[in-house]
Amino acid sequence: EPEVTQTPSHQVTQMGQEVILRCVPISNHLYFYWYRQILGQKVEFLVSFYNNEISEKSEIFDDQFSVERPDGSNFTLKIRSTKLEDSAMYFCASSERAGPLTPINEQFFGPGTRLTVL
Amino acid sequence: GEDVEQSLFLSVREGDSSVINCTYTDSSSTYLYWYKQEPGAGLQLLTYIFSNMDMKQDQRLTVLLNKKDKHLSLRIADTQTGDSAIYFCAENSGYSTLTFGKGTMLLVSP
Repeated sequence: EPEVTQTPSHQVTQMGQEVILRCVPISNHLYFYWYRQILGQKVEFLVSFYNNEISEKSEIFDDQFSVERPDGSNFTLKIRSTKLEDSAMYFCASSERAGPLTPINEQFFGPGTRLTVL
Repeated sequence: GEDVEQSLFLSVREGDSSVINCTYTDSSSTYLYWYKQEPGAGLQLLTYIFSNMDMKQDQRLTVLLNKKDKHLSLRIADTQTGDSAIYFCAENSGYSTLTFGKGTMLLVSP
């Protein structure tokens, strides 16, 4: 069964460093997402991406964050200068369709990358 | 803004029914979802309900929706140890975004 994969599973970095989290969405999917979950808190939406553009982004997704689809398979999240409060589990997801009027907006999630900022 | 609340922990014995509750705030949500997260794995869509439905049954799973009270519940019949996981309630809150609750950890003891 196709699945979303993410690398690395755990990333440790120093405050102020740049990190790139990588995701390989399901191959025929067109919509891509990043979510994060700070320990003990809710899963929060960061950004959605379609047709090489950001579709929606949350308040969390500020200028320190960027996303890219550098080739036909990878989808990356870059944090330019990490802060302690960026420590979280980051989930990538992809879906074939999107929008509230589609019969189902099934987003398939990867296992997550745990980012620890020291 | 949108908010989804759910209880954090539920413990049941194998064979019992489990009921996980959730409240949400966005009355314009078209679909409401239940996701399951097993240790070390991503979020997996378990079931969903369209907002004009009151109930949906899918094998051992029953979803009840009370739109007036903005209350959603997931009932798992004959709960098994393999059902132990974190269960997330979510609503579609934008064109393509999901708003999640904090998750309910379900612990099933033999």
